[in-house]
Amino acid sequence: AQTVTQSQPEMSVQEAETVTLSCTYDTSESDYYLFWYKQPPSRQMILVIRQEAYKQQNATENRFSVNFQKAAKSFSLKISDSQLGDAAMYFCANSGYALNFGKGTSLLVTP
Amino acid sequence: DSGVTQTPKHLITATGQRVTLRCSPRSGDLSVYWYQQSLDQGLQFLIQYYNGEERAKGNILERFSAQQFPDLHSELNLSSLELGDSALYFCASSVGGGGRAQFFGPGTRLTVL
Repeated sequence: AQTVTQSQPEMSVQEAETVTLSCTYDTSESDYYLFWYKQPPSRQMILVIRQEAYKQQNATENRFSVNFQKAAKSFSLKISDSQLGDAAMYFCANSGYALNFGKGTSLLVTP
Repeated sequence: DSGVTQTPKHLITATGQRVTLRCSPRSGDLSVYWYQQSLDQGLQFLIQYYNGEERAKGNILERFSAQQFPDLHSELNLSSLELGDSALYFCASSVGGGGRAQFFGPGTRLTVL
């Protein structure tokens, strides 16, 4: 079975600071992919970043980067220079054929 | 804007009724996925279609069914609705399956009274 665990229900960060959201997963697949999605109050699901498990290099998208530790089955998201618009629910997911989501971390950004 | 469209945005109906949710994938995407988001169950995968054929099933109830048409749009049919079916239903699309990035539509908010 594939499981995704996000142990931080809520996080808070000040504008311009850096925050890291944690995610651990379990999978029986040898080839899999990992994702972070953002869900702002509009409820739209927005892809933030994608990591291919066979790649050792950590994925980066502008202010968003991941720390992928395959042996530890850990996939954390780092947001640098946080902005008010980053406030949202963040979901970690792994994928064989479909996305298997964690329960999410609510990120609050304070001025 | 992800390029995935879903209609309607909101749907309010009564228990026992049947509804149809519609999704149009991004241009060029062959895979369509349906997900349900509820407070108690979180985000759950329901079903995937690839180029008109069912590819994978998740936690989809027998009262629910889906199909993908030749023009690649998809419909999710929910019947004998119960209060617990109230949720946000998302459609997502991707170029292929197996780990490709999925792009989500805005969702359909279903309320069963």
